[in-house]
Amino acid sequence: SQQGEEDPQALSIQEGENATMNCSYKTSINNLQWYRQNSGRGLVHLILIRSNEREKHSGRLRVTLDTSKKSSSLLITASRAADTASYFCAFPNAGGTSYGKLTFGQGTILTVHP
Amino acid sequence: DAGVIQSPRHEVTEMGQEVTLRCKPISGHDYLFWYRQTMMRGLELLIYFNNNVPIDDSGMPEDRFSAKMPNASFSTLKIQPSEPRDSAVYFCASSGTGSRKLFFGSGTQLSVL
Repeated sequence: SQQGEEDPQALSIQEGENATMNCSYKTSINNLQWYRQNSGRGLVHLILIRSNEREKHSGRLRVTLDTSKKSSSLLITASRAADTASYFCAFPNAGGTSYGKLTFGQGTILTVHP
Repeated sequence: DAGVIQSPRHEVTEMGQEVTLRCKPISGHDYLFWYRQTMMRGLELLIYFNNNVPIDDSGMPEDRFSAKMPNASFSTLKIQPSEPRDSAVYFCASSGTGSRKLFFGSGTQLSVL
């Protein structure tokens, strides 16, 4: 399967703690994205990192990409209860260059307790 | 902008019935995608359009599924006849050329009894 593998499947932390989620993929990619999905809602784009970037920041989010290991991580610092959601990595289908034709990982369910 | 709009939000139907899901993409976006989400299989791309033309429908599970995009502001996904295994959340997403970011609708929760 081309699907990305994410771990952990579920993560439960206290407010203020950091949350780290990992994603691995199998094919060569030129970019990787992270999305968030609140319960009962659609996915929302968080950040995109290109293959020539190793790290990228956006607010409390930090994403790393290691193309040699075919893995990425999403770090949420100083988590808040509002960060409770599922988080998905997404990357272009194998051989695909078309915009938006993405394969999604299975997701990490993050629960942040107040 | 109102974002990607999907209707209905929930659909409950009986096996064998026709189901039509609707999507209005963000104005100006020229890519439209239909995804299906289930616990077992996660998010799967069913079909996508570019400038109203279907580009890749390899993810459409069976001939019972069909999708159309008659104009830039409207798309439908039809299942006929529906089966219980079609129960899932169906998402529509749109994107503009030059942006690899997808904008998702809120989804349609389909239950086929």
